[in-house]
Amino acid sequence: ILNVEQSPQSLHVQEGDSTNFTCSFPSSNFYALHWYRWETAKSPEALFVMTLNGDEKKKGRISATLNTKEGYSYLYIKGSQPEDSATYLCAFFDRGSTLGRLYFGRGTQLTVWP
Amino acid sequence: EAQVTQNPRYLITVTGKKLTVTCSQNMNHEYMSWYRQDPGLGLRQIYYSMNVEVTDKGDVPEGYKVSRKEKRNFPLILESPSPNQTSLYFCASSSIRVGVRGYTFGSGTRLTVV
Repeated sequence: ILNVEQSPQSLHVQEGDSTNFTCSFPSSNFYALHWYRWETAKSPEALFVMTLNGDEKKKGRISATLNTKEGYSYLYIKGSQPEDSATYLCAFFDRGSTLGRLYFGRGTQLTVWP
Repeated sequence: EAQVTQNPRYLITVTGKKLTVTCSQNMNHEYMSWYRQDPGLGLRQIYYSMNVEVTDKGDVPEGYKVSRKEKRNFPLILESPSPNQTSLYFCASSSIRVGVRGYTFGSGTRLTVV
């Protein structure tokens, strides 16, 4: 079982604050890193899939960066809004593992207060 | 609408009574997978399937069975459920390059075994 770590475990911010959190993963045998957004009472939805060192992806106010050499990815939210409140999951796809396997971190739970 | 459909959404059952959670996808995806989510833990993979009649164990397969007789369906079978299988279950599917495309998740099944 591969270890994927996310920090912090939870985060509370005020509306309008910008925030970021971290996903750490094994740097060897890297193939892809996924970010998912999981709102309460819903199912996880894919935000980004990143495959290249130095990748930067953006969707509205949310962006992500990837460093495969040191094994980390950052997710940034600019000007947080209450609707950004969710758990953000990262998942690592290992080049060496069988094709169907994704390894998930425990998530960062974000709460944005109005 | 492209989706993964799980049933039931909620289920309370008694120890030892066999049950099946159904999962169906309408996207012609090759990969399908079952995950469980428990408090304080990340999504853990139970079983996955790379195509019809091709399945393999994930990280926590004990007490579960799966089958993939048709491409669209991937049911999860608990032959003799026990209280430690009380959890939130997600089915997910992906096109052949799950590392590149990411998973589409079903809406989840909350199972309680008493």
